[in-house]
Amino acid sequence: DAKTTQPPSMDCAEGRAANLPCNHSTISGNEYVYWYRQIHSQGPQYIIHGLKNNETNEMASLIITEDRKSSTLILPHATLRDTAVYYCIVRVLSGANNLFFGTGTRLTVIP
Amino acid sequence: DTAVSQTPKYLVTQMGNDKSIKCEQNLGHDTMYWYKQDSKKFLKIMFSYNNKELIINETVPNRFSPKSPDKAHLNLHINSLELGDSAVYFCASSQAPGLNYGYTFGSGTRLTVV
Repeated sequence: DAKTTQPPSMDCAEGRAANLPCNHSTISGNEYVYWYRQIHSQGPQYIIHGLKNNETNEMASLIITEDRKSSTLILPHATLRDTAVYYCIVRVLSGANNLFFGTGTRLTVIP
Repeated sequence: DTAVSQTPKYLVTQMGNDKSIKCEQNLGHDTMYWYKQDSKKFLKIMFSYNNKELIINETVPNRFSPKSPDKAHLNLHINSLELGDSAVYFCASSQAPGLNYGYTFGSGTRLTVV
């Protein structure tokens, strides 16, 4: 699975958009970009995933660059409950279903 | 109305004991999983069941035995616990097998073997 690089921490004002970047310059053609988050002492929570097109669901939007070497997770209106560690994972769809979360980005939403 | 619930949340036990972790999901999902998380943020899949049938059985010791009485439940029984079994164990479910279906995880069971 391709390696990802994320900033260790970010702050965002409540009600503003939170934009979380992820670099995955070694991504291969059949690898998807997944985003999960983990709130302290809870299990990982799936947010969104995509291959090459931008994706949107009720939680967030995922913007993938045309060369697929990086992506941005957008939380359009961050709330205090969005404070968590966000993980960008790049991997193929099939195969062993292991998940390597790496270090992630600790997002703090400030009132 | 917890989606995936696992019990207990914390489990401290001595080496050699036998223990079970229970998992239940009320999402109507067909597939359930057990993951082990070590300290390096790596979730390693252990087992996966689809409609009560075992579909993934990674290389784990025979001391670990999953049981799925129905598609809403997947329990994990561990015999003769060892120090190396200490970890956080996560139960998860998805609508169908595969990562393209977003997993819903339980809150985890922190197992400590002393």
